[in-house]
Amino acid sequence: AQSVTQLDSQVPVFEEAPVELRCNYSSSVSVYLFWYVQYPNQGLQLLLKYLSGSTLVKGINGFEAEFNKSQTSFHLRKPSVHISDTAEYFCAVSRRNSGGSNYKLTFGKGTLLTVNP
Amino acid sequence: EAEVAQSPRYKITEKSQAVAFWCDPISGHATLYWYRQILGQGPELLVQFQDESVVDDSQLPKDRFSAERLKGVDSTLKIQPAELGDSAMYLCASSRSRDRNSNTGELFFGEGSRLTVL
Repeated sequence: AQSVTQLDSQVPVFEEAPVELRCNYSSSVSVYLFWYVQYPNQGLQLLLKYLSGSTLVKGINGFEAEFNKSQTSFHLRKPSVHISDTAEYFCAVSRRNSGGSNYKLTFGKGTLLTVNP
Repeated sequence: EAEVAQSPRYKITEKSQAVAFWCDPISGHATLYWYRQILGQGPELLVQFQDESVVDDSQLPKDRFSAERLKGVDSTLKIQPAELGDSAMYLCASSRSRDRNSNTGELFFGEGSRLTVL
């Protein structure tokens, strides 16, 4: 089984400040890792993904995340946030099946990022 | 840019009534998912289709929920009878491929159908 823990349910920051949203996962097998963003009353949009290779992954809107296998973490960062970054952010884990498709995505409970002027 | 289409966007119903949601995935996407997202929580998988076949419905409350994808394209999720606890956002998503080397879990989501049960 796999699970995803987002350590902060809410993160308030001021505009132009740096931000880190924390995510830890547990899985007995290799996984793929994702961050999705959800704006109010909308579906989820992919921010970035880690599949393999470099542990530092860059995504859209200036976000990046670092995969740390030893700490089973995949924290999301942005050096300078904007008001428009206010949204819910979800970390997700996709488990690799040895005999089939990598298809089941398990989400964390989300972190609400609020950027204040 | 191709999108996942869902309808209705909003639905208000009384408990014990029947309700249905429709989803049209991105053209050519073989895998379709229905997720339920309760306010303040992450999405939880209800059912997954590969073409017209169900490959995972372990979390679908089968006494009241049903889902179908008869022709392997669009899909319908039905709740009958609706209960107060069913109030949530119902998200449909699709992914490109059934091949394990390319189906990495990158899902494309629709805007969701928000259900309120009174």
